[in-house]
Amino acid sequence: LAKTTQPISMDSYEGQEVNITCSHNNIATNDYITWYQQFPSQGPRFIIQGYKTKVTNEVASLFIPADRKSSTLSLPRVSLSDTAVYYCLVGSGTYKYIFGTGTRLKVLA
Amino acid sequence: DAGITQSPRHKVTETGTPVTLRCHQTENHRYMYWYRQDPGHGLRLIHYSYGVKDTDKGEVSDGYSVSRSKTEDFLLTLESATSSQTSVYFCAISESIARENNEQFFGPGTRLTVL
Repeated sequence: LAKTTQPISMDSYEGQEVNITCSHNNIATNDYITWYQQFPSQGPRFIIQGYKTKVTNEVASLFIPADRKSSTLSLPRVSLSDTAVYYCLVGSGTYKYIFGTGTRLKVLA
Repeated sequence: DAGITQSPRHKVTETGTPVTLRCHQTENHRYMYWYRQDPGHGLRLIHYSYGVKDTDKGEVSDGYSVSRSKTEDFLLTLESATSSQTSVYFCAISESIARENNEQFFGPGTRLTVL
């Protein structure tokens, strides 16, 4: 499984766009990149998944460069309710995903 | 929200006692997982099930056993609880592990304290 590296924490203000970058230098050809969000006292929740280029849904965008050695989760115009821990996972056809410690995002008023 | 319940939601027990945590799903998903979450370690996979009576170990399986006698239930047992097993335990389910369709749905968690 490819190892991922993300910042431990980030602060942002309401209304700003937040970009969280994940490094995965050893990503394999078949690996997908998946992001989860976890609020305090809750289990993680799937946000977005992608393989290459750009993926967008109602919650976030995921940017993946051509070499796929990193990916960026973009949250547009964050609000206080986006304060959470965000996990980047990389893998394919396996149940053994490594969640790691994630990035703790704090949105300030 | 996916139909996943965990019981109990909170439990305090003493070192050396057996503990069983239950995960129940109403989604008929094939795959079920038990994770533990501790400060500084994130989420770590304990055990996994890929069908009735089919289970496998995760990265932190020592001291834990699991059973899955029905599709909807996945039990995690601590045979003899230790203080190092104090943690928040999450159950998760997924319909598939295919690379493009492997979303995991998590339960509300069980907070276990071993004194």
